[in-house]
Amino acid sequence: EIVLTQSPGTLSLSPGETATLSCRASQRVTSTYLAWYQQKPGQAPRLLIYGASSRATGIPDNFSGSGSGTDFTLTISRLEPEDFAVYYCHQYDSSPITFGQGTRLEIK
Amino acid sequence: QVQLVQSGAEVKKPGASVKVSCKASGYTFTAYNIHWVRQAPGQGLEWMGKISPSGGSTTYAQRFQGRVTMTRDTSTNTVYMELSSLRSEDTAVYYCARYPQFDYWGQGTLVTVSS
Repeated sequence: EIVLTQSPGTLSLSPGETATLSCRASQRVTSTYLAWYQQKPGQAPRLLIYGASSRATGIPDNFSGSGSGTDFTLTISRLEPEDFAVYYCHQYDSSPITFGQGTRLEIK
Repeated sequence: QVQLVQSGAEVKKPGASVKVSCKASGYTFTAYNIHWVRQAPGQGLEWMGKISPSGGSTTYAQRFQGRVTMTRDTSTNTVYMELSSLRSEDTAVYYCARYPQFDYWGQGTLVTVSS
């Protein structure tokens, strides 16, 4: 099983700043099968990034994904108040499908 | 537009079973696998398994093997997830999501297991 470890657990930033979220895999993940999601309280997760770096439909360009192999990054520039949420990375390269434990992005 | 609409909240006693439905619309039902993911209160996301609506084949996460059954009804574009021998630790929101990128999710179904 591929374990995804996200860091930091909680990130405190102010609107307008840039957030950098990390996702490290215990084994190599094919970039095609690495995604990022945003989840707000009481809502289902929302796809942000797939294929490690492709933005999903309707996702603004201040969200970007990068990385390969075992290290992946989600960058959110020019933070808006609505960007404060929990973020999960996810691999669907091998079974069982796994998720990271999440990074909580909170307003400082 | 693509939608996955799930059945409503359930309250079950320990040892009972629950069956959650996920009705798809806005796309060709048989073209995309449906996965089930659950989230315990205040916790992260846990993959449970998947079903292929076209042929009905399933793959389950090992920890749910023997307790979970996923089925589909192509006449109503609906998939079902049944979890048996419920225990308090199964209290969670259960989501269906469309593969491959999990680009669309159901709204979630809260299942509460309590005596």
